[in-house]
Amino acid sequence: DAKTTQPTSMDCAEGRAANLPCNHSTISGNEYVYWYRQIHSQGPQYIIHGLKNNETNEMASLIITEDRKSSTLILPHATLRDTAVYYCIVRDGTASKLTFGTGTRLQVTL
Amino acid sequence: DTGVSQDPRHKITKRGQNVTFRCDPISEHNRLYWYRQTLGQGPEFLTYFQNEAQLEKSRLLSDRFSAERPKGSFSTLEIQRTEQGDSAMYLCASSFDTEFYGYTFGSGTRLTVV
Repeated sequence: DAKTTQPTSMDCAEGRAANLPCNHSTISGNEYVYWYRQIHSQGPQYIIHGLKNNETNEMASLIITEDRKSSTLILPHATLRDTAVYYCIVRDGTASKLTFGTGTRLQVTL
Repeated sequence: DTGVSQDPRHKITKRGQNVTFRCDPISEHNRLYWYRQTLGQGPEFLTYFQNEAQLEKSRLLSDRFSAERPKGSFSTLEIQRTEQGDSAMYLCASSFDTEFYGYTFGSGTRLTVV
């Protein structure tokens, strides 16, 4: 699976949009981009995934660049409960497992 | 179905003892995964099952570790002769066997070896 690069940490004011970047310059054509988050002392939680089109669900939006070498997870109105570690993962659709990096620690503040 | 359940939530054991953890996946899911997570790191893959078959094991899974999933339902992860380096959060996840669905993780079992 392709490797991803994420900033170690980010801050966001409550109510503002949180934009979390991810670089995956070695992604191949059949690899999906997944985002998970992990709130302290809990297991990771699936947020969203996509192949090449932008995706939106009730939690977030995923913007994937046209060359697919990077993506951005957008939390449109961050709340304190969105404080967590966010993992960007690239995975072959037929692969058996997700490989996690160290993620981005998002701190949402008042 | 309330999600993936793991038991116990916390376990403290003395070095050299054996421990066993249980995971109850979402009943419709045919894949079950075990991960290990140490402080400040992302989860590391240990092994996974497709129904009752164990299809892949990480090199992290030493001979002291064994996992089972009898009848393709719940799974157990046993660690024999525990070492202090085994102290970690052990996470279980389940999923359908397609890329269109993400994993659902349990809350984990935190193991402390003293």
